[in-house]
Amino acid sequence: DAKTTQPNSMESNEEEPVHLPCNHSTISGTDYIHWYRQLPSQGPEYVIHGLTSNVNNRMASLAIAEDRKSSTLILHRATLRDAAVYYCILRDPNAGGTSYGKLTFGQGTILTVHP
Amino acid sequence: DVKVTQSSRYLVKRTGEKVFLECVQDMDHENMFWYRQDPGLGLRLIYFSYDVKMKEKGDIPEGYSVSREKKERFSLILESASTNQTSMYLCASSPYPEGLSPLHFGNGTRLTVT
Repeated sequence: DAKTTQPNSMESNEEEPVHLPCNHSTISGTDYIHWYRQLPSQGPEYVIHGLTSNVNNRMASLAIAEDRKSSTLILHRATLRDAAVYYCILRDPNAGGTSYGKLTFGQGTILTVHP
Repeated sequence: DVKVTQSSRYLVKRTGEKVFLECVQDMDHENMFWYRQDPGLGLRLIYFSYDVKMKEKGDIPEGYSVSREKKERFSLILESASTNQTSMYLCASSPYPEGLSPLHFGNGTRLTVT
């Protein structure tokens, strides 16, 4: 799996937007960019994914650089419940065997939200 | 919403015991997975199953086996528990085999082997 690089930690205030960056300079043309988050004492939770175009859903927005070497997860108004570890991972939909279940989560970004 | 339920949140077992971790999903997903999560190592795939009675080894299958007799249930078995199997175990399911569909995770079972 191509590697992703994220800051170890970020802080935000409640009600403010949060931009979580992810670098993936070795991304291949078929890799999708996925974001998951893990709240304390819970399993990872899917947030969003995309390939080339920016994506929006009820949880967040995903902004993908034109060269696809980086992306940014945007939480438009952070809440205390958004405090979690955020993981950026790459997944190849054409990968077979164990690859499609293999999620290389890395260390992720610990997001702290202040009231 | 998809619900993936793991039977226990915390388990304490002794070295050499046979341990069963159970996982049930309620969305008729074809694929189910078992991971373990350790500090500094991220999530590592142990086994996955893409259909009833079908299974494939993941990256770290040694010391583990699995069972999938029904579509909704995927069990992880530690044949003879060892202290290096102390970990957080996460079960997940997804509807499609390819890398596009999100994985839905349970809340994990924290296993301590003493």
